[in-house]
Amino acid sequence: AQRVTQPEKLLSVFKGAPVELKCNYSYSGSPELFWYVQYSRQRLQLLLRHISRESIKGFTADLNKGETSFHLKKPFAQEEDSAMYYCALSLYSGAGSYQLTFGKGTKLSVIP
Amino acid sequence: KAGVTQTPRYLIKTRGQQVTLSCSPISGHRSVSWYQQTPGQGLQFLFEYFSETQRNKGNFPGRFSGRQFSNSRSEMNVSTLELGDSALYLCASSFGTSGRVRRYNEQFFGPGTRLTVL
Repeated sequence: AQRVTQPEKLLSVFKGAPVELKCNYSYSGSPELFWYVQYSRQRLQLLLRHISRESIKGFTADLNKGETSFHLKKPFAQEEDSAMYYCALSLYSGAGSYQLTFGKGTKLSVIP
Repeated sequence: KAGVTQTPRYLIKTRGQQVTLSCSPISGHRSVSWYQQTPGQGLQFLFEYFSETQRNKGNFPGRFSGRQFSNSRSEMNVSTLELGDSALYLCASSFGTSGRVRRYNEQFFGPGTRLTVL
């Protein structure tokens, strides 16, 4: 069955330090992966989609099919990066329908 | 463009009661998905509606049901509430595609409805 694992519940880094939020997935098909972010008192929003291969707010994520990983990275953490981050796998269920399978999330805390 | 709205934002119910939650998607979006978020299980997919039809359902008991109206607004209903149903219920909308087209469209999430079952 498909699964998304985020091994760290909480990650604390100092401002200016590199950040890596880990995400591993299990899926037999060709995965479509995302990172969602939820800032304090805001709604869940899409941060990155692997297929677009772009950098958003300095974050990048590379899909590694060999290691079944999709880690989120940023070279220099900022205080405004403090938030809850969710890795998600999109599954095609047929008839045009997709559903997202989420990891449990990692809370990133950037220490000033 | 107005975002996804959910009403009510907070609800307190007692065991055995039923509850109806409402979701208004972004204008032009035809697909509405529902998710349950709890501290223990995280975010879990409930069901997805497109053009008033349920196309997909997650692994939840039959007490959880939903529907979608012709204006794409959606409701979900939970009957015979249990303590374990206490959660944040999130709705997400997207343009969606018919069964003939396979293309993922970004899901935009609402603020959620916080349900507490006492």
